[in-house]
Amino acid sequence: QQQVKQSPQSLIVQKGGISIINCAYENTAFDYFPWYQQFPGKGPALLIAIRPDVSEKKEGRFTISFNKSAKQFSLHIMDSQPGDSATYFCAMTSYDKVIFGPGTSLSVIP
Amino acid sequence: DGGITQSPKYLFRKEGQNVTLSCEQNLNHDAMYWYRQDPGQGLRLIYYSQIVNDFQKGDIAEGYSVSREKKESFPLTVTSAQKNPTAFYLCASSITPGQPQHFGDGTRLSIL
Repeated sequence: QQQVKQSPQSLIVQKGGISIINCAYENTAFDYFPWYQQFPGKGPALLIAIRPDVSEKKEGRFTISFNKSAKQFSLHIMDSQPGDSATYFCAMTSYDKVIFGPGTSLSVIP
Repeated sequence: DGGITQSPKYLFRKEGQNVTLSCEQNLNHDAMYWYRQDPGQGLRLIYYSQIVNDFQKGDIAEGYSVSREKKESFPLTVTSAQKNPTAFYLCASSITPGQPQHFGDGTRLSIL
């Protein structure tokens, strides 16, 4: 069964720093590559999504970079804040399949 | 305010009992999904529905059942056949299958 490998499993970043989370996949037969943010006791919230024909997409402090040749996509959180402390999931979606990464626990320390 | 509403927020099940988790969306989305999340784990797909009156098994469908009689509703029944039902259950929807999904705030199910 196809999987997506997400790294790191946990990440500690100082306030104002850049948080970088990576995902690697096996094939590109997917329509969208979204990222989700989840706080304890809440459902995941869609942060940003990219299609495989786009190399980068930015929304506020969040940027997705997509490297088709390396089969990787990354989430960059600029100027990280303590309020960004949460679990982040990458995902891949197509008409009849959806795969989520195992998650990265981000802690932003003052 | 458009969104996905899951109820109840907390649910307790007795041994041998079936329980039903509610999921309603007013986003006019075609596709709906149910996931199970165990502590510190990722999301595992239970069932999904791409259109009304149709649904498909996901990766861990055993012990669960669903129906999709209305576009806005996709209830999940956790049957007594599910021997380890304690988990956080998440419902999601997307405009069409394959589009990024939007999630509700989950139902936490525990065994009495």
